[in-house]
Amino acid sequence: AQSVTQPDIHITVSEGASLELRCNYSYGATPYLFWYVQSPGQGLQLLLKYFSGDTLVQGIKGFEAEFKRSQSSFNLRKPSVHWSDAAEYFCAVGPQTGANNLFFGTGTRLTVIP
Amino acid sequence: ETGVTQTPRHLVMGMTNKKSLKCEQHLGHNAMYWYKQSAKKPLELMFVYNFKEQTENNSVPSRFSPECPNSSHLFLHLHTLQPEDSALYLCASSQESLLPGRGNTIYFGEGSWLTVV
Repeated sequence: AQSVTQPDIHITVSEGASLELRCNYSYGATPYLFWYVQSPGQGLQLLLKYFSGDTLVQGIKGFEAEFKRSQSSFNLRKPSVHWSDAAEYFCAVGPQTGANNLFFGTGTRLTVIP
Repeated sequence: ETGVTQTPRHLVMGMTNKKSLKCEQHLGHNAMYWYKQSAKKPLELMFVYNFKEQTENNSVPSRFSPECPNSSHLFLHLHTLQPEDSALYLCASSQESLLPGRGNTIYFGEGSWLTVV
């Protein structure tokens, strides 16, 4: 069965500190992986995606994620967090072709303290 | 500007009302979606339309009725809702493709906050 697990419901980091948000997935075929960010009261904005090739992908706002097939993980990282990064982050997995049915994790809420 | 516009952004309705949510995408995509986002639950896919045809109904109650008159517009008609239907309803679109990696990136609107009283 397809599923996405984000084990951390809430993370608090200091501004300027590094960040890693965890994502583990279970998917029967070769996955297409995404990270989305949702600011309060807003929709979801695509941060980055992985389809194939280099397992370290760069996204917007200075974020990157690394695909590790052996660990079924797609963790999101940022070397230095800014206060504006406070938001909810969602990992998602879906098929590479055909019908779209993304499976989302329950999200990780990031709080940034000065 | 996400390319996917939803109106209204906020809606309060009584359980006997009939209302509609509207979504328009300006990205030239051929697939559109409705998702429901409730507190502490993963996003739930409700409906999928490809080239105006409904291809997925994820066991959604009939009090939610989607309509897709063309590839750019999607509606969600609401009738006799329950308080537990209060949630953020997200519209999204993508360019569906049978070619690996050529599509399947979903772009979301900002959502419509629905409160049923």
